[in-house]
Amino acid sequence: EAQVTQNPRYLITVTGKKLTVTCSQNMNHEYMSWYRQDPGLGLRQIYYSMNVEVTDKGDVPEGYKVSRKEKRNFPLILESPSPNQTSLYFCASSLSVLAKNIQYFGAGTRLSVL
Amino acid sequence: AQKITQTQPGMFVQEKEAVTLDCTYDTSDPSYGLFWYKQPSSGEMIFLIYQGSYDQQNATEGRYSLNFQKARKSANLVISASQLGDSAMYFCAMRGSGDSGGGADGLTFGKGTHLIIQP
Repeated sequence: EAQVTQNPRYLITVTGKKLTVTCSQNMNHEYMSWYRQDPGLGLRQIYYSMNVEVTDKGDVPEGYKVSRKEKRNFPLILESPSPNQTSLYFCASSLSVLAKNIQYFGAGTRLSVL
Repeated sequence: AQKITQTQPGMFVQEKEAVTLDCTYDTSDPSYGLFWYKQPSSGEMIFLIYQGSYDQQNATEGRYSLNFQKARKSANLVISASQLGDSAMYFCAMRGSGDSGGGADGLTFGKGTHLIIQP
């Protein structure tokens, strides 16, 4: 089954404790992206990757890191999480960066930073 | 910069009625895609329908159709014969060609419409 898999689905952590949210897709997509969703603000893009070893900042990259060492994986790293990073996070992938390509989303990761 | 506006924060609709969810957009990209996603209370983001800026015909996918009026920059979602399972948040989104210099090449989302179907 074609899918985008995020882990964990739920995470509670404390300020400053490094964490990684994994994302994997099995559709051989070139483009992958991370979004965060906050009440009243909608979804905003954090980082994206157009292919292996090619990553770039989205609209809200501060406090996050990403890497794309393999085509299928695109982990999101919070080196020193803070409470303002409490949010619902989505990983998404699409065939390429073209406007017509549908982005498919993972099930989401609910993160609480205490 | 791209912008999506959804002016209906919430809607109540009787089961089996048709629903129109409004979406207007703004972009300087000559080529772009418009998307609708459904987010049920469980939280996942489900793709519903896509419309390309150069498509001549309105997109349809089962009970979903997209009323695309390019001159008015609107891309309204129409759900025919609504069902209780249609209750969810609905997001309009667009993706540009990157020519506008925005650089992110990701989706720009509206704030969403919370649709509640009543029996």
